[in-house]
Amino acid sequence: GENVEQHPSTLSVQEGDSAVIKCTYSDSASNYFPWYKQELGKRPQLIIDIRSNVGEKKDQRIAVTLNKTAKHFSLHITETQPEDSAVYFCAASFHTNAGKSTFGDGTTLTVKP
Amino acid sequence: EAQVTQNPRYLITVTGKKLTVTCSQNMNHEYMSWYRQDPGLGLRQIYYSMNVEVTDKGDVPEGYKVSRKEKRNFPLILESPSPNQTSLYFCASSSPSTNEKLFFGSGTQLSVL
Repeated sequence: GENVEQHPSTLSVQEGDSAVIKCTYSDSASNYFPWYKQELGKRPQLIIDIRSNVGEKKDQRIAVTLNKTAKHFSLHITETQPEDSAVYFCAASFHTNAGKSTFGDGTTLTVKP
Repeated sequence: EAQVTQNPRYLITVTGKKLTVTCSQNMNHEYMSWYRQDPGLGLRQIYYSMNVEVTDKGDVPEGYKVSRKEKRNFPLILESPSPNQTSLYFCASSSPSTNEKLFFGSGTQLSVL
């Protein structure tokens, strides 16, 4: 089955700096790669996603890049703010079996003011 | 309001006492799934369902049962809970119409003594 590895497990940055979180996946059939943000005590919420027919996607300060050949994808947050502090999860799934999703172990991002 | 509703929010029980965690969604989503979240282990999928009467094992199905008799409901059953099932549980739903974005419930914190 699919295996998703996420690094780093913790990340601390100064406000205004950029943060990068990386994930690798094992199943070349996976074609949907979402990123979820989970604030303390709350449910995970989708912040951005990318499909295998796209190499990069951007939404304001957040961007995701995908390298299908290397089987890895990354989340980039620019101009970080204290409210970006949360746990971030990457995931991978295969479109026609979308109920089956495999998540990374999560990255705890702390943005210091 | 579109939502995934889980109950109860908190549950303390004893080893061996059968319990059910309910999950209901009002978005007419085809896919529903259950995850458990443990520190450092991310979100691990327990079971998922692609539609009514169609369920399949996720990555950690041992000790759990599910059923999908109606499209909106997807209860998680622990026939004989054990302490290693103490965890935070999330139900989620998604649909091709929402580009497979996962909508999570608010979570159930289960403690098995």
